Amino acid sequence: AQKITQTQPGMFVQEKEAVTLDCTYDTSDPSYGLFWYKQPSSGEMIFLIYQGSYDQQNATEGRYSLNFQKARKSANLVISASQLGDSAMYFCAMREGMRFGTGANNLFFGTGTRLTVIP
Amino acid sequence: SQTIHQWPATLVQPVGSPLSLECTVEGTSNPNLYWYRQAAGRGLQLLFYSVGIGQISSEVPQNLSASRPQDRQFILSSKKLLLSDSGFYLCAWSVGDRGFDEQYFGPGTRLTVT
Repeated sequence: AQKITQTQPGMFVQEKEAVTLDCTYDTSDPSYGLFWYKQPSSGEMIFLIYQGSYDQQNATEGRYSLNFQKARKSANLVISASQLGDSAMYFCAMREGMRFGTGANNLFFGTGTRLTVIP
Repeated sequence: SQTIHQWPATLVQPVGSPLSLECTVEGTSNPNLYWYRQAAGRGLQLLFYSVGIGQISSEVPQNLSASRPQDRQFILSSKKLLLSDSGFYLCAWSVGDRGFDEQYFGPGTRLTVT
């Protein structure tokens, strides 16, 4: 089974509007972390936001927020007030076993959603 | 501040030729290092990761190999490239001494095998 599922290959949003990018995950580990990365056309992967499985509140970082619904195993990214520079591929990722000092842990990535912001 | 470098940025190689991609990290000690491959239009696939010098873990069987000759240097190699090795190769680093450790990615190498 896929660890991370992103069902939206492409999304369009009007500039200054909000957009939600979907992500569902599959794990039996009670301890895990969820990440969102942005990949512009230059190819680099830019870390956006993190949500731990034990975090009580949804993570927020500036215009990015993560809508974490643990029972539904979803971790949707919400981008508010979209800007033209937000046009990029967005990847959801998960790491299982988020314990202190465990060293390298593998990130499982989804297939990504291409977001296009329309002026 | 920490920076991660990859070279070359772009590479075109014929089938059967050898490969060597280099990744170096500055500004941190004993990082965890990762090699990912991203096929066109797809997500990232972890190939190798390393928690220290000489320590390499492979995630998928393939004709690629990795080495870590120095603390902040990670090399991806192949003796004979296949067409299926084409893709975008990303190196990443993290430090594992916190409750979570996001990975920071390099600029990537775009490899085309002809």
